[in-house]
Amino acid sequence: DTAVSQTPKYLVTQMGNDKSIKCEQNLGHDTMYWYKQDSKKFLKIMFSYNNKELIINETVPNRFSPKSPDKAHLNLHINSLELGDSAVYFCASSQAVNYGYTFGSGTRLTVV
Amino acid sequence: DAKTTQPNSMESNEEEPVHLPCNHSTISGTDYIHWYRQLPSQGPEYVIHGLTSNVNNRMASLAIAEDRKSSTLILHRATLRDAAVYYCILRDPLMGAGSYQLTFGKGTKLSVIP
Repeated sequence: DTAVSQTPKYLVTQMGNDKSIKCEQNLGHDTMYWYKQDSKKFLKIMFSYNNKELIINETVPNRFSPKSPDKAHLNLHINSLELGDSAVYFCASSQAVNYGYTFGSGTRLTVV
Repeated sequence: DAKTTQPNSMESNEEEPVHLPCNHSTISGTDYIHWYRQLPSQGPEYVIHGLTSNVNNRMASLAIAEDRKSSTLILHRATLRDAAVYYCILRDPLMGAGSYQLTFGKGTKLSVIP
């Protein structure tokens, strides 16, 4: 079983569309994250979320919003997609007392 | 977050040990030293972490300087599958939830030569 799974793996869409990327973890972790990796390969935190607190990186446009229906899921919604949103998006999870993060395999988003 | 400094790239011959250095001169007393790696077209993968003492696991060893201002990730026998970008990251678990965010730098791109 995949520990952190993301869907879809690839997403091609037009500018202006709204899209979602789903993330699920079966590790029982209490905190989940979204990271963005741009074409220069820099990994940047976008959000961290547990059942108590949402931490938003201040550089993330408000077109991006995390939605967590339950502890095992953290979906990423993106409104009005722009060319600059093209990147690979990684979901991750961790447990407060276990400092290791587990990452998903990524979603490659291409905005055309 | 306290910053780390790593070489941009390193090369190693297959089946030889690899020592990946990391400098963190501004490390605080409660910062843990974490190492992750990212293989091509994959998500980052946890490798190892430590606070003061050297650490060993099935993937690697972590040697931490006595003053904690530097550390070295040791791969005992490099294989072609170890070719990846290796990230050294400091993390303070005593801060708020936001501090659980891993802040990735540029990392070291390790090439393994057959």
